[in-house]
Parts: sequence; C-alpha cells; structure tokens
Amino acid sequence: EDKVVQSPLSLVVHEGDTVTLNCSYEVTNFRSLLWYKQEKKAPTFLFMLTSSGIEKKSGRLSSILDKKELFSILNITATQTGDSAIYLCAAYNAGKSTFGDGTTLTVKP
Amino acid sequence: DGGITQSPKYLFRKEGQNVTLSCEQNLNHDAMYWYRQDPGQGLRLIYYSQIVNDFQKGDIAEGYSVSREKKESFPLTVTSAQKNPTAFYLCASSRAGVPSGANVLTFGAGSRLTVL
Repeated sequence: EDKVVQSPLSLVVHEGDTVTLNCSYEVTNFRSLLWYKQEKKAPTFLFMLTSSGIEKKSGRLSSILDKKELFSILNITATQTGDSAIYLCAAYNAGKSTFGDGTTLTVKP
Repeated sequence: DGGITQSPKYLFRKEGQNVTLSCEQNLNHDAMYWYRQDPGQGLRLIYYSQIVNDFQKGDIAEGYSVSREKKESFPLTVTSAQKNPTAFYLCASSRAGVPSGANVLTFGAGSRLTVL
C-alpha cells in the first residue's frame, strides 16, 4: 500500500524562525514528490520534485528530494505570520497522488 | 479565469439520504479527482478519472459513486452506504499524459458535508 508520512504534525514558531518540514514516502512506480500549501480551503501548489539533490527555491521557501532515502524536506526561512497554513506532501505515481497527513504550521508574531 | 467550481459549499443531509456534489472545470484538463479531508488528516483519494467515460476507485471508494460523461464535469454522489460521510470534500484536476505537468493538481474550494 502506498504511504506518505509527514513530520511533525504540528509546529508553532515565532516570526523570523526557520522551519524544516519532513516527508517520507513508500510508493510503487514513484514519479514525483509535490508540496502544497493549504491556508483555508483549496491547497495551492508549491513545488514539484523529480530528481534527487536538486533544490527548488521560491523566495523564502525551498525543497529538496532524496530518492535513495525516499525523503523530502521543505524549508521556510525568516517565517512570517502569512506562512501559517497546513503544508501537504504528495507522492505521484501512475496517475494518482497519495497525500500525507500534513504539517500544521503556526507562526506567532 | 480558468478554474474549478465546486457546489454547494456547505451541505446538510439527514442519515439515509444520497447527496451529489458538483465539480466543474474549465481548464481543459483530462484528469479529475475527488479527495476527502477529515480534521487533522491529509487528503484521501475517493475516485479519479483520466479520461471521459472511465474512472478508477481510490483508497476509500466504498459508499461513493461518480460519473464522467463530460470532460469538464465529475460529480460525486455520497450514498447512504457511506458510514461516516461528514467531511470536507475536495475536487481537483490535472493534465494527463504530459510528463512534466501531469502531476500538479488544481483544486476547487471544497464542499463541506454535514450529516445530521
């Protein structure tokens, strides 16, 4: 059975802190690893990773994939209150995405 | 603007009733998906469809049914057989058959179903 595990499940930090969110996966016919941000209702796409060791960056967010260890991390530097959200990791294989339970990040002023 | 429209946003149902959640997209995406989200949990796949007139069961299909008669529409029926239907339901779509982009999902705003 395909499985995606995220940790921690929740995290509370103060503005300016740096956070690292973890995602491990066991998925047959793995094709790519995706990160989404869910603030209120609809998750929005952050990153798609297909190759090991290549960092993707967007502003203060970055992510990297390790296909040997079946692991990905999402880093957020200099956190802001607007980063408060649920961060979802998903593994894609052969037509469907399997999601983890998400990490709920709360950034306090 | 292209996007996915889900309706209704909120729905209340009595036990024993079937309800249908609507999902329409104008992104010209081939693939469509239904996910269920419970509090503190991630998204669990109910059904998905890669092309018109074809669909596959996801991980939690029991008690649900779908149809895909048109490319832009993928309605979900929550039947009375679904034992615990109260949840937040998300519809999504993606391109298909394109290696670099097929995986990225675009989501609707969701439908919250409460069974009384």
